[in-house]
Amino acid sequence: QVQLQESGPGLVKPSETLSLTCAVSGYSISSGYYWGWIRQPPGKGLEWIGNIYHSGNTQYNPSLKSRVIISVDTSKNQFSLKVSSVTAADTAVYYCARSLLTVTRVSFGSWGQGTLVSVSS
Amino acid sequence: QSALTQPPSATGSPGQSVTISCTGTSSDVGGYNYVSWYQQHPGKAPKVMIYEVTKRPSGVPDRFSASKSGNTASLTVSGLQAEDEADYYCSSFAGENNLVVFGGGTKLTVL
Repeated sequence: QVQLQESGPGLVKPSETLSLTCAVSGYSISSGYYWGWIRQPPGKGLEWIGNIYHSGNTQYNPSLKSRVIISVDTSKNQFSLKVSSVTAADTAVYYCARSLLTVTRVSFGSWGQGTLVSVSS
Repeated sequence: QSALTQPPSATGSPGQSVTISCTGTSSDVGGYNYVSWYQQHPGKAPKVMIYEVTKRPSGVPDRFSASKSGNTASLTVSGLQAEDEADYYCSSFAGENNLVVFGGGTKLTVL
């Protein structure tokens, strides 16, 4: 059974870069599926950030595209998120997730527990 | 402001049925059969309950069903149980330039 675990700083200063890693166990990223990042500001709804395939192909939310990079490290079986020039609006619980099916990019069947990232000086 | 519109709240009594709507446009909900529904309990990660408009993943009770008509998708929870009380989010494929859009969420209360 696949398990995902987010890690990274819980506090980031405004204008700096938020960096998170999602460690995957129980499944090899190289074997397929799509891997995504979704965030949820406190008390608010979900927002899709972007997806990556094991080949490295990425797709991003157009509202975040200029500030977001998602990368994959198949040797460590993990993928990462970077959001640059953060503001208080980027404060959220960040989830990493795996697509529900190998061929479907838009439904997420396995999720990490989420990690709260606060942006504050 | 979320791309998809959901009612902020819904209420039902144990054993009853409740339906939650999710309204989009022809560029998302109405244009593709890729609507998903997620259940989220407080402090927990979302759990997919429905995908591709009507399909239930393994392990999801058949009390959960869904449909779509035009630009509006709907999730129906039948035989309401206390553990169904949660936030529910719809999502849809919205084209290659904006893969996934979510609704604002509906808080389901079981009286």
